[in-house]
Amino acid sequence: KAGVTQTPRYLIKTRGQQVTLSCSPISGHRSVSWYQQTPGQGLQFLFEYFSETQRNKGNFPGRFSGRQFSNSRSEMNVSTLELGDSALYLCASSPPTGEKGIGYTFGSGTRLTVV
Amino acid sequence: EDQVTQSPEALRLQEGESSSLNCSYTVSGLRGLFWYRQDPGKGPEFLFTLYSAGEEKEKERLKATLTKKESFLHITAPKPEDSATYLCAVLGRGSTLGRLYFGRGTQLTVWP
Repeated sequence: KAGVTQTPRYLIKTRGQQVTLSCSPISGHRSVSWYQQTPGQGLQFLFEYFSETQRNKGNFPGRFSGRQFSNSRSEMNVSTLELGDSALYLCASSPPTGEKGIGYTFGSGTRLTVV
Repeated sequence: EDQVTQSPEALRLQEGESSSLNCSYTVSGLRGLFWYRQDPGKGPEFLFTLYSAGEEKEKERLKATLTKKESFLHITAPKPEDSATYLCAVLGRGSTLGRLYFGRGTQLTVWP
């Protein structure tokens, strides 16, 4: 069973630019969540999508947005990049409700560096 | 808001020296507590899910336990390959399924 695939793995952008990150969940998983990981703040929740609808959103500015497609693949976009946006962006895929014992599977992440 | 506190922040063990990592949590109705292992530059790797107080799960040298306020990850006779950051996360009843609250992690180093 293929895992969660995130592309690209590494990205270097300049302040003020925008960036789009992609996440393909495990086949059959319809819930995708995004997290930002930094040394100072740890793992922080960005947003969650289920069946193409944003179900929850974390405490991040409006520059951070996302969407989910009908095949459950998800993208997140960050506009007007700031130096502080440099982080590891992680995507997690969740099994259908009621499927206990599986846990949330994370991708390898996209390392974004803003210069 | 749900909160998770992990201790210690860093732990150095000699190979074979057993120890425990702590995860204290405050949550409005626990739906699940998760342990992950994360290697540098990689995504968290799922280890265990615990659902109710008294529950225990084991995998190789790792054993996770859960009480009403905290969870422990016991590492028995660790090896250098167990070196990693161990993350604890909770899912509360007040949250949607995809929103986990994470602790800051315990960075474990096992030296030969």
